Amino acid sequence: AQSVTQPDIHITVSEGASLELRCNYSYGATPYLFWYVQSPGQGLQLLLKYFSGDTLVQGIKGFEAEFKRSQSSFNLRKPSVHWSDAAEYFCAVGVRSGGGADGLTFGKGTHLIIQP
Amino acid sequence: DAGITQSPRHKVTETGTPVTLRCHQTENHRYMYWYRQDPGHGLRLIHYSYGVKDTDKGEVSDGYSVSRSKTEDFLLTLESATSSQTSVYFCAISDRTANYGYTFGSGTRLTVV
Repeated sequence: AQSVTQPDIHITVSEGASLELRCNYSYGATPYLFWYVQSPGQGLQLLLKYFSGDTLVQGIKGFEAEFKRSQSSFNLRKPSVHWSDAAEYFCAVGVRSGGGADGLTFGKGTHLIIQP
Repeated sequence: DAGITQSPRHKVTETGTPVTLRCHQTENHRYMYWYRQDPGHGLRLIHYSYGVKDTDKGEVSDGYSVSRSKTEDFLLTLESATSSQTSVYFCAISDRTANYGYTFGSGTRLTVV
């Protein structure tokens, strides 16, 4: 079965600084990969996704992520964070099998704190 | 989120009572999912549906049942609620398969006392 690891439970970044959130997955083939963001008291919003092709994917709100097969990683980056980026971030993996209807597997999340 | 509504938004119930949570969508999407979110566990899949009357179990299905009699509604039932089922429950929908990404509802916060 596939799994997702987000090594950092909490990350604190100064406003205007760059950001990188780590995500590692375990799966025997190339998976589908996603990053979601959750603001307090809200549902999850899709930031970006990787299916195939270019390993650097662009998402909403100025985020990007890079798929590195050799490292089984899909790290999320942003060159300059804003206070409104403070939220919980989830990495998720889907497998390439059958109809894929069996759902995504999520990491446990990284809580991003923005310092003024 | 537009097109997907969860009800109720908050509920407090007593141990041993049955509870039903509702997910309603107006997107005519085929796939619907129930997840629970707990601190330190992220989101875990409870049940999912790939069509009317077609459902299957997820990772943490014990103590839960689901029904989907119409495309737009996916119900999650706790037959006899326990304190371990205190959680935030999210419904998600997808127009193809999970691998194309979900749209999430706003969640239901359930407290079992």
